[in-house]
Amino acid sequence: QSALTQPASVSGSPGQSITISCTGTSSDVGGYNRVSWYQQHPGKAPRLMIYDVSNRPSGVSNRFSGSKSGNTASLTISGLQAEDEADYYCSSYTSSTTCVFGGGTKLTVL
Amino acid sequence: EVQLLESGGGLVQPGGSLTLSCAASGFTFSSSSMTWVRQAPGKGLEWVSSVSSSGSTTWYADSVKGRFAIYRDNSENTLYLQLNRPALDDTAVYYCAKGFWGLDYWGQGIVVTVSS
Repeated sequence: QSALTQPASVSGSPGQSITISCTGTSSDVGGYNRVSWYQQHPGKAPRLMIYDVSNRPSGVSNRFSGSKSGNTASLTISGLQAEDEADYYCSSYTSSTTCVFGGGTKLTVL
Repeated sequence: EVQLLESGGGLVQPGGSLTLSCAASGFTFSSSSMTWVRQAPGKGLEWVSSVSSSGSTTWYADSVKGRFAIYRDNSENTLYLQLNRPALDDTAVYYCAKGFWGLDYWGQGIVVTVSS
């Protein structure tokens, strides 16, 4: 159950777009369309932003989008806003019938 | 409105025992898989355990397998996590969440500190 690999940090200016990658293996990210993305502000519980690779729950802005290619999933945030500054985590279902999270990415809005 | 409210956290000695509870409301609890996720101080999220909607099937992270037990009471809309023989590195905020691989609702979290 090795953690998925995410960049430790990314940054962007308001209005720009950024992409956060999440790399796993064929036993997790690459093997299933069960990748989710979570946003977590300091001291708060995580919030589901994307599920099943590219689906947005009700209430999540369409500025957030997800995709997958091979063993790597990606979260793209367009039209960056100050409120998007947070930690982002990916997760995936695995062949062991477990779930695994990425190490997290700190997004800074410059 | 979906609500998940954890309780039962606090200080526990290494090798002791502690049971966390998560009271659910606002959705059909008996139809949903449920999950516990934890976050050590200053660290990332770690999936701990999940249970099927009926409670008949459970899944655990290797780091807690054989020590922790997840179970549920569908008549009381409550999820539990029993921490047996906790170690120092089990210190974390523990969250209960609705679902399995797509966790669409989360509780506010409960602090568990393992210390002698």
